[in-house]
Amino acid sequence: EAGVVQSPRYKIIEKKQPVAFWCNPISGHNTLYWYLQNLGQGPELLIRYENEEAVDDSQLPKDRFSAERLKGVDSTLKIQPAELGDSAVYLCASSLDTLDEQFFGPGTRLTVL
Amino acid sequence: QKEVEQDPGPLSVPEGAIVSLNCTYSNSAFQYFMWYRQYSRKGPELLMYTYSSGNKEDGRFTAQVDKSSKYISLFIRDSQPSDSATYLCAMRSISSGSARQLTFGSGTQLTVLP
Repeated sequence: EAGVVQSPRYKIIEKKQPVAFWCNPISGHNTLYWYLQNLGQGPELLIRYENEEAVDDSQLPKDRFSAERLKGVDSTLKIQPAELGDSAVYLCASSLDTLDEQFFGPGTRLTVL
Repeated sequence: QKEVEQDPGPLSVPEGAIVSLNCTYSNSAFQYFMWYRQYSRKGPELLMYTYSSGNKEDGRFTAQVDKSSKYISLFIRDSQPSDSATYLCAMRSISSGSARQLTFGSGTQLTVLP
């Protein structure tokens, strides 16, 4: 069974440019998460979806970050405009339900110059 | 002060050594405790999962939770070079809403030398 798929794996952009990350969760998983992981730190939740509904986005910087999960499957996380401090790894995870084990994708490593 | 504190290491041990990894936490509402392993340039993968206090053993790995001290540990016996990774503790409460989210430690980088 395929795991969580993320693309691109690496992205280098200049500050003020827009960027988007894509995530395809494990088939049948209703809950999808986007995490931010800075170097030497643990993942921090940005947003959690239950099906197509964003049920926890309290830590998403809404002035520049947006996310969507159309049809309750794939999800896209966007940053516009990107800032130097956004350089990090963006992880997507999915689980059958909110209380179930989370399976992580390999992440997208973003570098903002 | 962070809710979950974890010594970042790095920790370097010889093959076959017993490794002890630890986290402390401040939120008494945490009931579920997890250890994740993260290899370089990969996502975290769940290693051990414990509910409330007590011990849990899985092969060479043992997880311990002491809720009275707000302290959790992961022990690795007969460590192997393939155990070289970053180990992240994570925990959450059983409450609803945003309290269900996982709170991660900063991770301990472990290297097992052959």
